Amino acid sequence: DTEVTQTPKHLVMGMTNKKSLKCEQHMGHRAMYWYKQKAKKPPELMFVYSYEKLSINESVPSRFSPECPNSSLLNLHLHALQPEDSALYLCASRENINTDTQYFGPGTRLTVL
Amino acid sequence: AQKITQTQPGMFVQEKEAVTLDCTYDTSDPSYGLFWYKQPSSGEMIFLIYQGSYDQQNATEGRYSLNFQKARKSANLVISASQLGDSAMYFCAMRGGNTNAGKSTFGDGTTLTVKP
Repeated sequence: DTEVTQTPKHLVMGMTNKKSLKCEQHMGHRAMYWYKQKAKKPPELMFVYSYEKLSINESVPSRFSPECPNSSLLNLHLHALQPEDSALYLCASRENINTDTQYFGPGTRLTVL
Repeated sequence: AQKITQTQPGMFVQEKEAVTLDCTYDTSDPSYGLFWYKQPSSGEMIFLIYQGSYDQQNATEGRYSLNFQKARKSANLVISASQLGDSAMYFCAMRGGNTNAGKSTFGDGTTLTVKP
């Protein structure tokens, strides 16, 4: 099973709202990723977790707050977002940061009004 | 630093014909992995094929093959017998070795349209 799940599929929020995106995998992978993708552009790396510890933060604004409560679950907490944060947010995982194939979830399409 | 270049923003192919999507890369890591992903309009990134930098043979997965030319730093994707369902955006990506551990670098993508 190479499935990464993400909820919700779609999210519309106002600039004052607080919401969370959820990502889950049961492949025993210990590296998990958040990417942001704008239309017709490549994914941009936001965060990397390795063994539940934040390994890479690509200078993401603090209105995005990642959390890795356990090895299967990755959250992205959103607060006071801007309309330009509207994008597809993709979660991905791999066995660890030094192994190869990375598996992506279906993404959450976020619209900030 | 790693860099992936895809020079074809858009490509057209007739159904049942083969098509090659170009990808060149640059890295200072001696060990790296190269990937191709397909992204239909639904948004999901679908893993297609992987090539390790030390692999002696070109990777193949069904109708997909990766034409790996290490000296030229190219990793082109060949899709044989194109189908209408192959219409999508295709990304070439690289995973770096120790100096870039954990990061994947993506090219700008190529939009493939398969014509009936």
